[in-house]
Amino acid sequence: EDKVVQSPLSLVVHEGDTVTLNCSYEVTNFRSLLWYKQEKKAPTFLFMLTSSGIEKKSGRLSSILDKKELFSILNITATQTGDSAIYLCAHCNYNQGGKLIFGQGTELSVKP
Amino acid sequence: DVKVTQSSRYLVKRTGEKVFLECVQDMDHENMFWYRQDPGLGLRLIYFSYDVKMKEKGDIPEGYSVSREKKERFSLILESASTNQTSMYLCASVGSTDEQYFGPGTRLTVT
Repeated sequence: EDKVVQSPLSLVVHEGDTVTLNCSYEVTNFRSLLWYKQEKKAPTFLFMLTSSGIEKKSGRLSSILDKKELFSILNITATQTGDSAIYLCAHCNYNQGGKLIFGQGTELSVKP
Repeated sequence: DVKVTQSSRYLVKRTGEKVFLECVQDMDHENMFWYRQDPGLGLRLIYFSYDVKMKEKGDIPEGYSVSREKKERFSLILESASTNQTSMYLCASVGSTDEQYFGPGTRLTVT
């Protein structure tokens, strides 16, 4: 059974800190790994990773995939209170076109 | 921009009632999904559909059914609502990439 595990489940930091969120997976037929940010509404897409070692970057957020060790990390530098959210990691199964298996999510709280 | 809409943001129903949650997408996507989200459990897939009139069970289909009569619309049905179905329900659709576009969610409370 495909499985995605995120850690930590929750995290409290202060503005300006750098955080690293972890996502490990045990899946068959790997296709892609996706990161989402969820505030008090629907998840919004951040990154899709398909290849090992290639960093995806968007502003202060970046993410990388390690297909050998079966994990991904999401980094946020110089955190701001607006980064407070639940961050979701999900695996897309190759044989089930678009079906995502989600981790539990990491709840990040950034204090002023 | 892809738009996924859901019929209600908040819904309160009584135990035993039949509940319909509607989802509509405007990008001609073939694949649509219903998830529920509960604290500590993340998003769990209830049902998905690859095409009109086609449906597949997800990880937690018990107590739910779905209907896809038109490509743009995917409905989730709770035949007889129970209190353990109180949750946030999220609909999503996906096109040619793996990125899923989510609707705003329906927070359902069953009393």
